[in-house]
Amino acid sequence: AQSVAQPEDQVNVAEGNPLTVKCTYSVSGNPYLFWYVQYPNRGLQFLLKYITGDNLVKGSYGFEAEFNKSQTSFHLKKPSALVSDSALYFCAAGRGGSYIPTFGRGTSLIVHP
Amino acid sequence: DGGITQSPKYLFRKEGQNVTLSCEQNLNHDAMYWYRQDPGQGLRLIYYSQIVNDFQKGDIAEGYSVSREKKESFPLTVTSAQKNPTAFYLCASSMRRLADTDTQYFGPGTRLTVL
Repeated sequence: AQSVAQPEDQVNVAEGNPLTVKCTYSVSGNPYLFWYVQYPNRGLQFLLKYITGDNLVKGSYGFEAEFNKSQTSFHLKKPSALVSDSALYFCAAGRGGSYIPTFGRGTSLIVHP
Repeated sequence: DGGITQSPKYLFRKEGQNVTLSCEQNLNHDAMYWYRQDPGQGLRLIYYSQIVNDFQKGDIAEGYSVSREKKESFPLTVTSAQKNPTAFYLCASSMRRLADTDTQYFGPGTRLTVL
């Protein structure tokens, strides 16, 4: 069975500093990895997706994620955090096929002014 | 929220009542999903559907029912058998029939509160 772990319930960062939200996965075969963002009382919005190819994936709002096969990680990053980046972030994984993607429990990102 | 609408935004239910949450998509997607979100628990899958007139139970289907009579519509009924229905409910869709490589598109959610 596949699984996704987001080891931090909350990440705090000062505005202007770089941010990292961690995600590790357990998927048999080649993984397909996603990041979604959820603002309060809203649905999830797609940020970026890794299928194959370049390990550094660029997405919306200046976010990027780095796929690391040896560490089975897909950490979300941004060089300079904004207060408006404060939200709940979800990592998800699939393995290609007729399956439901697996979501992590979410990480709350708080960016302090 | 990408072509998926959910209504109502807020819903209040008395104990013992059934309520139906609406989900409509105009993306021509085959697959649709219902998730429940509780604080600190992430997303839990209630039901999913790959095609009209077909749906499957997810991890927490007890006390819920669904129908998929039209491609664009996937309503969720929360029955009186669901003992703790207060939660935020999210509907999602994806392009192909149950392909976990496809991006999911989410509606804005319905917050259900039991009085």
